[in-house]
Order: sequence, then structure tokens, then C-alpha cells
Amino acid sequence: GESVGLHLPTLSVQEGDNSIINCAYSNSASDYFIWYKQESGKGPQFIIDIRSNMDKRQGQRVTVLLNKTVKHLSLQIAATQPGDSAVYFCAERGAGAQKLVFGQGTRLTINP
Amino acid sequence: NAGVTQTPKFRILKIGQSMTLQCAQDMNHNYMYWYRQDPGMGLKLIYYSVGAGITDKGEVPNGYNVSRSTTEDFPLRLELAAPSQTSVYFCASSRGQPISYEQYFGPGTRLTVT
Repeated sequence: GESVGLHLPTLSVQEGDNSIINCAYSNSASDYFIWYKQESGKGPQFIIDIRSNMDKRQGQRVTVLLNKTVKHLSLQIAATQPGDSAVYFCAERGAGAQKLVFGQGTRLTINP
Repeated sequence: NAGVTQTPKFRILKIGQSMTLQCAQDMNHNYMYWYRQDPGMGLKLIYYSVGAGITDKGEVPNGYNVSRSTTEDFPLRLELAAPSQTSVYFCASSRGQPISYEQYFGPGTRLTVT
């Protein structure tokens, strides 16, 4: 069945460094992937998405990389700031599916 | 736009009680979803709807019911609350395929069953 997992449950980085959050997925038929940020006590907030016909997409300070060969997704955050502290979730959509499958999440903490 | 709104924000239930969690969106989205999030965990899909009058089960539907009589509203009903239903509940909506799969989330309802 579909599943989305993360390599690390927590990640700690220095302020100003780049952060890389990884995600593995198992459904080779998934055609859409999305990253969400969830701050404490709030609902998840969209960061960036990517379709399976792409291998890279950039936003403001964020980049998502998709490697379909090894079924791996990553989120890169440039020049990490204190406001980036949150839990980050990846999610996938199986081809034709009407819903997303979410991973467990990675907690990103920023050291001053 | 208010986006996705949820009420109440917090609720404590006794075992066996029932309640309805309200969810509304003003973005004219066709798709709506209910998730639960247990501490330190990801989101698990309870039910979803692709339009008014259409609902379908997600990963963890037992103990819950939904209805979708209008595009805007998607209430979640808990019957005979159990401690295992203690969780944070999130409602979300999206335009749906083929336009967009991005889901917009509400602020959540924190439910405790004792």
C-alpha cells in the first residue's frame, strides 16, 4: 500500500545554515508530492509542491528535489531562520487518488 | 476570505458522549477532508468528500460519521466517544483534481475524552 516515511524525526541546525529534510516514499505510481510546515498549535501550511514530471522546483528560500529512481523527496531551506522552527511533513498523491498520504513529520529546531 | 474555519477550538468529552466538530470553507472548494493527529504523529485521514452529497472513508473512519449537504460545510460526528479518540482534529479543503491537490487546513480542534 501507499506509505510515506521520513528518515529522521528531528533535525537541529544553526541559524543561517541550510536545512535539508528528507522523505522516502514507497508508491512508485505517486504523481504529486507536497511539503507542509506545521507550527506549534496550528494547522499545516503549504510550502511547496512538485509533480512527478519534474525533479526540482524552487520557491522563496525553499527547494524541493524529487528522485524517482530511489523514491526520495527532499526539502531544502536556505539560510534557516528562527521562524523556520516547526514540524515539516511530506505527502504524496497516488496516481488518480483523491487524497494525500502524509508522512510522520520531521521537527526542525534552530540553534542561535 | 476566512479560509477553513473549525469550531470548537477545544473540547473535553466524557466517555460515551457524542459531539459534532464543525468545519466550513468559503473558497468554493469541492474537496474536503477530516484528519486526526495524535501527539508526535502525522495526519491520518478519517473521511473525505469530493462534493456535496458524496463522502468516502479514509484510513481511520471507525467511530466517526460525516455528511456533506453543502459545498461549504463538512461536519464530523463522534458517537460514543472513547479515550482513543483523544486527538487534534484538522479539517482541510482543496479545489480538487485536475486543478490543484493542495489542501488548505483549518486551525484544528483539540479533543480530550476522559
